[in-house]
Amino acid sequence: DAGITQSPRHKVTETGTPVTLRCHQTENHRYMYWYRQDPGHGLRLIHYSYGVKDTDKGEVSDGYSVSRSKTEDFLLTLESATSSQTSVYFCAIRAPEKDYGYTFGSGTRLTVV
Amino acid sequence: AQSVTQLGSHVSVSEGALVLLRCNYSSSVPPYLFWYVQYPNQGLQLLLKYTSAATLVKGINGFEAEFKKSETSFHLTKPSAHMSDAAEYFCAVSPYNTDKLIFGTGTRLQVFP
Repeated sequence: DAGITQSPRHKVTETGTPVTLRCHQTENHRYMYWYRQDPGHGLRLIHYSYGVKDTDKGEVSDGYSVSRSKTEDFLLTLESATSSQTSVYFCAIRAPEKDYGYTFGSGTRLTVV
Repeated sequence: AQSVTQLGSHVSVSEGALVLLRCNYSSSVPPYLFWYVQYPNQGLQLLLKYTSAATLVKGINGFEAEFKKSETSFHLTKPSAHMSDAAEYFCAVSPYNTDKLIFGTGTRLQVFP
């Protein structure tokens, strides 16, 4: 299995503070994704990346930015956290790419108070 | 825009009964289709996927799904439910010629003894 690690696993932060979540993979896959999961909404795509410094927006990108300076790391930043961003965040990689297999991390539970 | 609809946010069955979870997609070109399972407080695990090969796809844990182009459906079935099948199930679509994976809102399966 492709190694994919999310950090932190849990975080509580205050409204208005910046927050960065990290997704790390060990197998050099090109495509990486950030989703948020909320009851009644399933998983919604925030941003994704198709290579170093190549990123694009998903359906719920407002209030989020991403960066990918190395193949193995995909960072999600909440510039100024709001209570509506309280959610569980999942990172995913497409591995192996030719087989359209997506693998998910264990998630980060973020609470904004 | 591509979308996927899961009918029924909650499904309850007795142990040993047939499991049927419904998924319909909207697309003029058949996409790639996936079913994922999420156990409480865990990440997502791939059950099975359709990538334009056989229309009847067999997955893990005894689940299978049939791609029906005429009905734009990809329903998930299991002949005999087990208590351990209790989880949330997500249908997802990767539209043709895109790099995105779009999820339905999920169906929570309860299995009663």
